[in-house]
Amino acid sequence: QKEVEQNSGPLSVPEGAIASLNCTYSDRGSQSFFWYRQYSGKSPELIMSIYSNGDKEDGRFTAQLNKASQYVSLLIRDSQPSDSATYLCAVGGTSYGKLTFGQGTILTVHP
Amino acid sequence: GAVVSQHPSWVICKSGTSVKIECRSLDFQATTMFWYRQFPKQSLMLMATSNEGSKATYEQGVEKDKFLINHASLTLSTLTVTSAHPEDSSFYICSACHRPRGTSTDTQYFGPGTRLTVL
Repeated sequence: QKEVEQNSGPLSVPEGAIASLNCTYSDRGSQSFFWYRQYSGKSPELIMSIYSNGDKEDGRFTAQLNKASQYVSLLIRDSQPSDSATYLCAVGGTSYGKLTFGQGTILTVHP
Repeated sequence: GAVVSQHPSWVICKSGTSVKIECRSLDFQATTMFWYRQFPKQSLMLMATSNEGSKATYEQGVEKDKFLINHASLTLSTLTVTSAHPEDSSFYICSACHRPRGTSTDTQYFGPGTRLTVL
């Protein structure tokens, strides 16, 4: 059983729409949660981090965390073609700094 | 802030040779760095955890004698792929742990990656 699972893609949304990316995790002791964006052929780039239940907003991005449901999501408002990438959900547990990554969700924003 | 560099960005080598990849944290000190490998259209695979001044911790299935890791300072970790073979061709990415001001948890910041092709 995978420890971090992301909603299966690919996900395709029209420009200007809201893209919703979901992630569940199995370790209840997880303490830190991250969303990374990875363009094809490039390394991951940190978008958001969240540590406590609720919402965290940064520009067009909103991360949501529900520890009781072991669920974390990323909303992208006013999606742009430049948002087209693979989005990786990463969860940090008790091991110092170590992350467990989901398999990634490919997002395509079409004009 | 929290910039991580890797060198080289790409390398092509002959089978049997060794290749060294450097990972540097440019504007912070990193006690812990990580090395990942990524094959086309696959997710990141953690190879090892590199801790400054101590031996690296390798993930199951990763040969420590083939992938030598040295973390000699708080800003530099190196990965040496020894006796490289075509199946070692991959995208190697390092990350460095940094604790942003105001937080109590480390965040991983990734280097740009090194694309290795073994002929």
